[in-house]
Amino acid sequence: SQQGEEDPQALSIQEGENATMNCSYKTSINNLQWYRQNSGRGLVHLILIRSNEREKHSGRLRVTLDTSKKSSSLLITASRAADTASYFCATVGGGNKLVFGAGTILRVKS
Amino acid sequence: DTGVSQNPRHKITKRGQNVTFRCDPISEHNRLYWYRQTLGQGPEFLTYFQNEAQLEKSRLLSDRFSAERPKGSFSTLEIQRTEQGDSAMYLCASSLAILENEQFFGPGTRLTVL
Repeated sequence: SQQGEEDPQALSIQEGENATMNCSYKTSINNLQWYRQNSGRGLVHLILIRSNEREKHSGRLRVTLDTSKKSSSLLITASRAADTASYFCATVGGGNKLVFGAGTILRVKS
Repeated sequence: DTGVSQNPRHKITKRGQNVTFRCDPISEHNRLYWYRQTLGQGPEFLTYFQNEAQLEKSRLLSDRFSAERPKGSFSTLEIQRTEQGDSAMYLCASSLAILENEQFFGPGTRLTVL
């Protein structure tokens, strides 16, 4: 079953704008990861944030984690057309499997 | 290319037939995972191996599904007596056995059951 909800389900922005996606989860976690999936292709790992971290940066990506609210957000700054993809959060709790949300579809218009 | 590979990329079959998919993980990765993804949803966990041992199976993995990793390297996923509801993308991933558990995904096998 899916871990939780991602919000929004779909997002359309202009190139150069920032995109923010949110993820909620249900159980305690060791870490939370964000993945990107381009149309018809496999998932690519973007960034991992541990449960004892609150914020993490990687290039144009900024991830926050609020374990008290069981939520995370992914910010993509200065978006590009190539950022068009589906974005998924995934949690790792007990055990080793990833539990994914339903994803946010991001469209960046040039 | 040293990434995760999956074969075939596409499979069309008739209901009731058996199908088998193969996954070749990144060579030094001792963990291998299978996920299933349907349209508009995130991937759902099916099963995972550490070396050749199958350590966890989802309740999604009915008795028509079987997975093996005989020598701790490549893995196969077999679906017997396929049903239309089995139509999905089947994703394989591999990782090292570390806490952070970053997983590397293959391109997937898209199964269509007619």
